[in-house]
Amino acid sequence: QVQLVQSGTEVKKPGASVKVSCRASGYTFNNYAIHWVRQAPGQRLEWMAWINVGNGNTKYSQKFQDRVTMTRDTSARTVYMDVSSLMSEDTAVYYCAREAEQLFVGGGVDVWGQGTTVIVSS
Amino acid sequence: SVLTQPPSASGTPGQRVTISCSGSTSSIGHNYISWYQQLPGATPKLLIYRNNQRPSGVPDRFSGSKSGTSASLAINGLRSEDEADYYCATWDDSLSGVFGGGTRLTVL
Repeated sequence: QVQLVQSGTEVKKPGASVKVSCRASGYTFNNYAIHWVRQAPGQRLEWMAWINVGNGNTKYSQKFQDRVTMTRDTSARTVYMDVSSLMSEDTAVYYCAREAEQLFVGGGVDVWGQGTTVIVSS
Repeated sequence: SVLTQPPSASGTPGQRVTISCSGSTSSIGHNYISWYQQLPGATPKLLIYRNNQRPSGVPDRFSGSKSGTSASLAINGLRSEDEADYYCATWDDSLSGVFGGGTRLTVL
């Protein structure tokens, strides 16, 4: 079945970096964009970035474009998100999510990873 | 871009409830809307994509519509299991995504 499986919980100190992975299975990996969405405790969903898995092109939210890097490894069917210069406000659950339609971006996301908790604390 | 949703909504079982989402020309006006349900402690679930399309498995009690710079999610035949947070989402003209602030739906 179509599935996104994310890496486990991370605890980081302020100023550090974190790399979260998202491994896909059950569909043609190159044909679907992957998005990252985060949710701080008790807060709303916040869109961060997306990657065209086929060609590696990325689009970042203005809020995160200086600190976030998305990459992919097509042989491993895995997408990565790197967040640098972590602050306490980055404490959140980070989700990867697949675009609902292949070879298209902007319709919605249908498959979500289980979420990766990132805790930033001194 | 900002998407505005009411913070809360409520209804009784069997009732019809609508949740609104207001944006701008460059967001909702030019792009597709999607809607998500997030049960307490759970991962978000896609309810509506491309303004009014339901993924397979989503009951037809849920429907979406869009007009100009606003959109709505309607839930017919409200059930207790519909109690959740609901989010609208869209894009701006540079294909940056944005979520609404979320609406907490209470089934009385």
